Amino acid sequence: EAGVAQSPRYKIIEKRQSVAFWCNPISGHATLYWYQQILGQGPKLLIQFQNNGVVDDSQLPKDRFSAERLKGVDSTLKIQPAKLEDSAVYLCASSRPGAQDTQYFGPGTRLTVL
Amino acid sequence: AQSVTQLDSHVSVSEGTPVLLRCNYSSSYSPSLFWYVQHPNKGLQLLLKYTSAATLVKGINGFEAEFKKSETSFHLTKPSAHMSDAAEYFCVVRSWGGNQFYFGTGTSLTVIP
Repeated sequence: EAGVAQSPRYKIIEKRQSVAFWCNPISGHATLYWYQQILGQGPKLLIQFQNNGVVDDSQLPKDRFSAERLKGVDSTLKIQPAKLEDSAVYLCASSRPGAQDTQYFGPGTRLTVL
Repeated sequence: AQSVTQLDSHVSVSEGTPVLLRCNYSSSYSPSLFWYVQHPNKGLQLLLKYTSAATLVKGINGFEAEFKKSETSFHLTKPSAHMSDAAEYFCVVRSWGGNQFYFGTGTSLTVIP
């Protein structure tokens, strides 16, 4: 089966600009996650979707970050406006219904904010 | 609250020698624990998981981990390192109810030929 797809793989922007990342999970995976991985740290969950509903967004900086999964399949994560400290790899993951202990990760999008 | 501490940020071993990557956990209940591996420019991949069944868990690529409640540890081991094992390894604990995974800070494994 095809894995989790993410695009773009790399993005360089200046602070105060906006940026969007796209994720297409594995077919049939109802749960989708967005993580932020800052250099030298482990991934941190930003938001979790179950189908098109938000399960957990407690660690999403809602003043600048937003995410949607309108049709319960692919998802978009947006940052507006970006700050220097947003430089990180943004990882998308998905899991099957009833099997949330196994997450499948995409290759990530590396964001550099100058 | 749940958390994991990876005791070594970098580990170097010679090819063919044993690998030991250490992880301690903190949890107020019986946890679910995982090890993930991240190769350069590739996505995170699940190595193995412990979900309150057998305390010795076998994973892919010859890795295994032992859950020790008395020591609150979940160390990852492999009898003989291969060059392809060079990567970043993350110990992970799942929150009660399963909504959140808490990652450790990672251990970078270098394998010397």
